[in-house]
Amino acid sequence: AQSVSQHNHHVILSEAASLELGCNYSYGGTVNLFWYVQYPGQHLQLLLKYFSGDPLVKGIKGFEAEFIKSKFSFNLRKPSVQWSDTAEYFCAVNAHNSGYALNFGKGTSLLVTP
Amino acid sequence: NAGVMQNPRHLVRRRGQEARLRCSPMKGHSHVYWYRQLPEEGLKFMVYLQKENIIDESGMPKERFSAEFPKEGPSILRIQQVVRGDSAAYFCASSQAGEEAFFGQGTRLTVV
Repeated sequence: AQSVSQHNHHVILSEAASLELGCNYSYGGTVNLFWYVQYPGQHLQLLLKYFSGDPLVKGIKGFEAEFIKSKFSFNLRKPSVQWSDTAEYFCAVNAHNSGYALNFGKGTSLLVTP
Repeated sequence: NAGVMQNPRHLVRRRGQEARLRCSPMKGHSHVYWYRQLPEEGLKFMVYLQKENIIDESGMPKERFSAEFPKEGPSILRIQQVVRGDSAAYFCASSQAGEEAFFGQGTRLTVV
């Protein structure tokens, strides 16, 4: 069955620590990959996306993600987190044979402490 | 340019009542998607619509749920005879063809 797995449900980091959030998917064929962020009380916002080309994708606010096809992974990274990065992070996959619908992971709740 | 607008933000319904959730897409967007987020779960795709057409409803429950996106006006997600298990956050997203989707702030439905 097609699925998206986010390994960490809750992550707590101190400011300036490095962040890596795991995302694995199980789809056959070509996929588009996304990371969304939801700050407290706000709507989902797109952090970055991968459609094709360079597997290392740069997003907003210093985030990046690397698509590793052989591992079916699209991990999100940030070298130094800030308190304002406290939010819920969602990995999502769109399989090319499923129209434009997104399949989301369960999300990772990140708390950054001062 | 206003973003995706959903209303109401919060909706309380008694068991057996009907819930109507509205979504106005971003200007120029003709594709609308509805997602449901249950507590401690990720967003689950429900339905994908274009103007006056349902393109993919593979995520919609077979009974009590319906969606429309008329030629004029917002998209409506309708839940008839609500039950406690329908309590969730319902998110709408819109896009242009083949482009990224932008999300609304969601409607939090509570069934009491």
